[in-house]
Amino acid sequence: DVKVTQSSRYLVKRTGEKVFLECVQDMDHENMFWYRQDPGLGLRLIYFSYDVKMKEKGDIPEGYSVSREKKERFSLILESASTNQTSMYLCASSSTQPGAGELFFGEGSRLTVL
Amino acid sequence: DAKTTQPPSMDCAEGRAANLPCNHSTISGNEYVYWYRQIHSQGPQYIIHGLKNNETNEMASLIITEDRKSSTLILPHATLRDTAVYYCIVSSRGGGSNYKLTFGKGTLLTVNP
Repeated sequence: DVKVTQSSRYLVKRTGEKVFLECVQDMDHENMFWYRQDPGLGLRLIYFSYDVKMKEKGDIPEGYSVSREKKERFSLILESASTNQTSMYLCASSSTQPGAGELFFGEGSRLTVL
Repeated sequence: DAKTTQPPSMDCAEGRAANLPCNHSTISGNEYVYWYRQIHSQGPQYIIHGLKNNETNEMASLIITEDRKSSTLILPHATLRDTAVYYCIVSSRGGGSNYKLTFGKGTLLTVNP
């Protein structure tokens, strides 16, 4: 079975802490994505990466950074967590084949910032 | 990127066909229409996608109008487990030749017994 694995299902952090959310995929996909999901707002793209060490901003990159040192791993970093970053974070990956585009999602990481 | 418009919610009786509409009037010639769904507390799940022809798989059928400005996802025999938020998405180009998908708010489909 193809799989996208997110390191933590639930996290509780304090304001100002540095937070790492890890995501690993086993499908040799070139593309990887980080979304956040909030009630009434749907899924919003934070960052995506189309190759190792490459990244592009999504729709809401402010307050976040990412790292992709290896093809299978894409990390989301909150340098100084704030309460408005309390959310469900979803990682996804996809192939580069034209028209393929199918996103495979992880189960999500629910982050609470106190 | 082309935007999509979906009704916020729909109801369907169990065993009947669920027809979920989506408008994407600004879609461009090389953009695909994708459908995903998200069951509560899970990550979204891919359903189907298409460019201009109708498509069918084991989960659903996708009907795209000839002018490609709208589409309909059909679940032929809805079950209670099909209750979910359904997202209609038009693909857009990200960096290089790769694609990123931008999700809207979707349609909450409730299948009733």
